[in-house]
Amino acid sequence: GENVEQHPSTLSVQEGDSAVIKCTYSDSASNYFPWYKQELGKRPQLIIDIRSNVGEKKDQRIAVTLNKTAKHFSLHITETQPEDSAVYFCAASMEYGNKLVFGAGTILRVKS
Amino acid sequence: DTEVTQTPKHLVMGMTNKKSLKCEQHMGHRAMYWYKQKAKKPPELMFVYSYEKLSINESVPSRFSPECPNSSLLNLHLHALQPEDSALYLCASSQGETNLYGYTFGSGTRLTVV
Repeated sequence: GENVEQHPSTLSVQEGDSAVIKCTYSDSASNYFPWYKQELGKRPQLIIDIRSNVGEKKDQRIAVTLNKTAKHFSLHITETQPEDSAVYFCAASMEYGNKLVFGAGTILRVKS
Repeated sequence: DTEVTQTPKHLVMGMTNKKSLKCEQHMGHRAMYWYKQKAKKPPELMFVYSYEKLSINESVPSRFSPECPNSSLLNLHLHALQPEDSALYLCASSQGETNLYGYTFGSGTRLTVV
């Protein structure tokens, strides 16, 4: 089955700096890669996603890149703000089969 | 309506109690999911219902019993739970058998077993 590894487990950055979180997946059949932000006690919220037919996607300060050959994808947050502090999860899913597999999560702390 | 609604938001139950968690969506999604999430850990898949049929059971203990009465509702029946079952239980839905439109998560039920 699919296995998703996520690094780093914790990340501290200064406000205004960039943050990068990286994930690798094992199953080349996976074609959908969402990123979730989860604040304490709340639901995972989708912040951006990418499909395997696209190499990069951007939404304001957030971007995701995908390297299908190397089977890894990354989340980039620019101009970080204190409200970006949360746990971020990457995930991977195959087109069929209804399984969404999560990475272990990254605790992001943005220091003001 | 673009939400997945879960009730109750919080639940405290004893180890001999029987309780149920409920999940509802009105987006016409035909796949529904139960996830369990411990603190500072990722959500772990428990069950998947596809077109009201159980399609995935991730070797979950029988003290957790899912039920899908119709395409909009998903229940999780709880019986004889252990304190280590205390967690956030998340329901999610997706359009069907493909991931074409992604997944929508509910706000979860915070379960404490005493």
